[in-house]
Amino acid sequence: QPVLTQPSSASASLGSSVKLTCTLSSGHRGNIIAWHQQQPGKAPRYLMKVEGGGRFNRVSGVPDRFSGSSAGADRFLTISNLQSEDEADYYCETWDSDTWVFGGGTKLTVL
Amino acid sequence: EVQLSESGGGLVQPGGSLRLSCAASGFTFNTYAMIWVRQAPGKGLEWVSGISGSGGSTYYAHSVKGRFTLSRDNSKNMVYLQMNSLRVEDTAVYYCAKEGPGGGVDFWGQGTLVTVSS
Repeated sequence: QPVLTQPSSASASLGSSVKLTCTLSSGHRGNIIAWHQQQPGKAPRYLMKVEGGGRFNRVSGVPDRFSGSSAGADRFLTISNLQSEDEADYYCETWDSDTWVFGGGTKLTVL
Repeated sequence: EVQLSESGGGLVQPGGSLRLSCAASGFTFNTYAMIWVRQAPGKGLEWVSGISGSGGSTYYAHSVKGRFTLSRDNSKNMVYLQMNSLRVEDTAVYYCAKEGPGGGVDFWGQGTLVTVSS
């Protein structure tokens, strides 16, 4: 089954940009992944899917400051013009025929 | 508007049982797989179980296989997670989630807290 690896933490300044990484395990480099945001004390929220070719589809209501991209086994979530409300945990997710897998999550701090 | 509402959480002793329910609305329920994801205090998300749209197929994480049973009632738009032989390490917020077209979670419930403690 696939494994997703995420850095445990990231930080960036208010108004700047940050690129979060999710790495797929060997044999699953072509998988589509989903990005989810979890603000403190809240349930997760689905943001977008990112395909292996780099195409992404952001869900309605998610600001266009959030975008996705891809390179090899890596899937990225880029947040531009960082706002204080972007401070949250970000999880990537993938799936196959009989299992769903989450990465360990990246805690984003907005300085 | 999609809505998922979990219920049934609470405090239970080790070895006990609990049944979680998830009420769904706002989408064609029998078309989509439903899954449960849990989050232990201060930890990340962990997939627990999934069920196909028809209910004919169920899937479990190794950590809960043989102890948890997932079912759905498509006539009532409900999903049920029966949890038996509960352990302290099952303590978590349990989220009901809807799978989207092509796979992956595209909507989350608000969660229900399960505490296993003596």
